[in-house]
Amino acid sequence: NAGVTQTPKFQVLKTGQSMTLQCAQDMNHNSMYWYRQDPGMGLRLIYYSASEGTTDKGEVPNGYNVSRLNKREFSLRLESAAPSQTSVYFCASSEPTGRTEAFFGQGTRLTVV
Amino acid sequence: GESVGLHLPTLSVQEGDNSIINCAYSNSASDYFIWYKQESGKGPQFIIDIRSNMDKRQGQRVTVLLNKTVKHLSLQIAATQPGDSAVYFCAENTNYGGSQGNLIFGKGTKLSVKP
Repeated sequence: NAGVTQTPKFQVLKTGQSMTLQCAQDMNHNSMYWYRQDPGMGLRLIYYSASEGTTDKGEVPNGYNVSRLNKREFSLRLESAAPSQTSVYFCASSEPTGRTEAFFGQGTRLTVV
Repeated sequence: GESVGLHLPTLSVQEGDNSIINCAYSNSASDYFIWYKQESGKGPQFIIDIRSNMDKRQGQRVTVLLNKTVKHLSLQIAATQPGDSAVYFCAENTNYGGSQGNLIFGKGTKLSVKP
């Protein structure tokens, strides 16, 4: 049982480049999330998807887009990377009520130079 | 405990002692809370949760206390071990745009256990 799988684990981008972070879960969860974590900080919600076909902005959505491809997969896209987007990105999934734990992937460490 | 500053609060304890990590949450309407443990280079892992209709919940070596009056959450770890060294986050379930199901995380506390 893999849980939540993120790819890639590490990535270096030049300013202005684009990339997509992939996330897949095998727990049949309806809700999926993208967070970013900056040094010495907690996790901040970028976007979430309460169910297949729906997405909504979180606390820090600017500069990002998401796609809920199907129930299993939720991708995060940076159209034009900026140094301020250097961070560790975590994908998570949970049951839709939010009143159960969220399961996290191992993270993607992104550096924008 | 939790801090709104840029520096991660650190709690240093001796192996075998009890640890208490504190968290102030923001939304009085939040009805579900979780404590997560994050080891270096890994994603957060669930430790224990509590619903707002409770004020205390116990797990294996961990206890969470909830004080809704002052919007305060604490995590107590009994007989702290070196393997407990990690960053601990509290998270509250709150609403975004009317849609429930989103966890908002605190800044985290780094626990260091001295052997």
